Amino acid sequence: NAGVTQTPKFQVLKTGQSMTLQCAQDMNHEYMSWYRQDPGMGLRLIHYSVGAGITDQGEVPNGYNVSRSTTEDFPLRLLSAAPSQTSVYFCASSYSGRFYGYTFGSGTRLTVV
Amino acid sequence: SQQGEEDPQALSIQEGENATMNCSYKTSINNLQWYRQNSGRGLVHLILIRSNEREKHSGRLRVTLDTSKKSSSLLITASRAADTASYFCATDAKETSGSRLTFGEGTQLTVNP
Repeated sequence: NAGVTQTPKFQVLKTGQSMTLQCAQDMNHEYMSWYRQDPGMGLRLIHYSVGAGITDQGEVPNGYNVSRSTTEDFPLRLLSAAPSQTSVYFCASSYSGRFYGYTFGSGTRLTVV
Repeated sequence: SQQGEEDPQALSIQEGENATMNCSYKTSINNLQWYRQNSGRGLVHLILIRSNEREKHSGRLRVTLDTSKKSSSLLITASRAADTASYFCATDAKETSGSRLTFGEGTQLTVNP
């Protein structure tokens, strides 16, 4: 099925551990973004990309790294997990955010203990 | 800080009634988008309205945009229990050209059968 695929769906990490959240889309979208959603705070942008090889920081980038080596994949790396990074993470992609909406993945629920 | 602010935070209505949600934002925009999120799921794009448009329809959805007041409204007519979800507005600021969206905190809509 065409869309945005996020893995894993659930993850528990210990403080200080690192991990990579995977995001892949098969719609040939140039624009991709990572958001985190915390209760009562809506979605906050972590990092985004407007094409392969191009990434930039969003509103809350600290503690996260991204890379975009291909159009399809946009992994999010947690460098040293902290309890404050407990959240639900969403990846989204768009053909062109200026004229088209974004397609969201189903999310990764991360708990840092 | 969030660009968009939704009002009300929560809305409870009976099936068949209309539901109206409002969104206010702060900066000049290219477009404003509405998304729906069912509990525990990803966001689904509903409708995009460009800054030069005043009203847009999609099925039972009607969106208006007033750029002079920096506000938008989403009207769901003849609501159904399946419309129960959180609804978010998101803005594409003029300087970002669709590369990044800023979300409000959402309106939780409950439609009672």
